[in-house]
Amino acid sequence: AQSVTQLDSQVPVFEEAPVELRCNYSSSVSVYLFWYVQYPNQGLQLLLKYLSGSTLVKGINGFEAEFNKSQTSFHLRKPSVHISDTAEYFCAVILTGGGNKLTFGTGTQLKVEL
Amino acid sequence: DGGITQSPKYLFRKEGQNVTLSCEQNLNHDAMYWYRQDPGQGLRLIYYSQIVNDFQKGDIAEGYSVSREKKESFPLTVTSAQKNPTAFYLCASSLSGTGVRSNYGYTFGSGTRLTVV
Repeated sequence: AQSVTQLDSQVPVFEEAPVELRCNYSSSVSVYLFWYVQYPNQGLQLLLKYLSGSTLVKGINGFEAEFNKSQTSFHLRKPSVHISDTAEYFCAVILTGGGNKLTFGTGTQLKVEL
Repeated sequence: DGGITQSPKYLFRKEGQNVTLSCEQNLNHDAMYWYRQDPGQGLRLIYYSQIVNDFQKGDIAEGYSVSREKKESFPLTVTSAQKNPTAFYLCASSLSGTGVRSNYGYTFGSGTRLTVV
């Protein structure tokens, strides 16, 4: 079985500071990895994804994530956050070769303060 | 523009009532999904459908039912058997099949917030 762990339920950060949102997964097979963002009372929007190739993935809004197979991690980073980045962020995985069911972590609420 | 439309945005249900949430997509996606979102629990899969006239239970299917009569539509009925239906419901779609083509990620609707009154 696969699972996704987001250890931090909330991350407060000041505007223009860097941020890292942590994501770890467990799976006996290879996975595809995703980060989604959700603004209040809205659906989820894809930030970035890792399918194969370079382990450093760049996404929208200046976010990037690095796939680390040995540590089974896919942490999300941004070098300088803006007030508009305040939202909930979800890490998710799909098993390779196993159809396309997404399994989500419990989410991390990013709160950017002035 | 292509996308997924969920309606209504807000829905109120009385105890013992069945209610149906609508989900329509014009992306020509084969697969559609329903998720339930509760604070602090992330998204949990209720039902999914990979092809018309076929669907499978997800992790929390009890108290819910679905149909997939058309490729574009995947309505979710919350029945009176669902004891705690108050939640935010999200519909999604994706290309089906296996391999990289199927894993471009999901497209989500904007959600329906259901409240029991």
